[in-house]
Amino acid sequence: RKEVEQDPGPFNVPEGATVAFNCTYSNSASQSFFWYRQDCRKEPKLLMSVYSSGNEDGRFTAQLNRASQYISLLIRDSKLSDSATYLCVVNSRGAQKLVFGQGTRLTINP
Amino acid sequence: GAVVSQHPSRVICKSGTSVKIECRSLDFQATTMFWYRQFPKQSLMLMATSNEGSKATYEQGVEKDKFLINHASLTLSTLTVTSAHPEDSSFYICSARDEVGYTFGSGTRLTVV
Repeated sequence: RKEVEQDPGPFNVPEGATVAFNCTYSNSASQSFFWYRQDCRKEPKLLMSVYSSGNEDGRFTAQLNRASQYISLLIRDSKLSDSATYLCVVNSRGAQKLVFGQGTRLTINP
Repeated sequence: GAVVSQHPSRVICKSGTSVKIECRSLDFQATTMFWYRQFPKQSLMLMATSNEGSKATYEQGVEKDKFLINHASLTLSTLTVTSAHPEDSSFYICSARDEVGYTFGSGTRLTVV
């Protein structure tokens, strides 16, 4: 079983739609959680950290459910520029290395 | 914000040759850097953790004699792919931990022909 699992998609949604991704992690010792965005043939870039209480950054909302060990990302009013692969990333307490999910590919259609 | 510079961005080499990839932290010191590999439509897989002034820590299944890592200063780590083969063709990305989180280099696309 992969340590971080995501639905690879692809998700194709119309511009303006709301789209949600989920991610599950297997290591209960995981302490830090992130969503990264990766454009084709580019490096990953931090979209947002995920906090236990849930957090919002503009059109993006991230939630963490420690009991069920899953993380979600909600994108509202999607834009064409949101088309990318979204990576769910975790790391464990004391561990510096990040563990990446496979990524969920999103395409926003005009 | 923190910047990690990675070079080259793209390299094509002949099978059996070696390729060196550099990763520099431009405005901060990085005692630890990470090297990842990403095959098409797959996730980033950590290859090794590079520690300044000491030996790198390799992930299971990664050949340390094939992927040589040197982290001689607080701002520079290098990955050398020795005796490259076509199956080593991949996207290699470095990362460093800064005050805020993790910053990634722009990646190196290696093609071995």
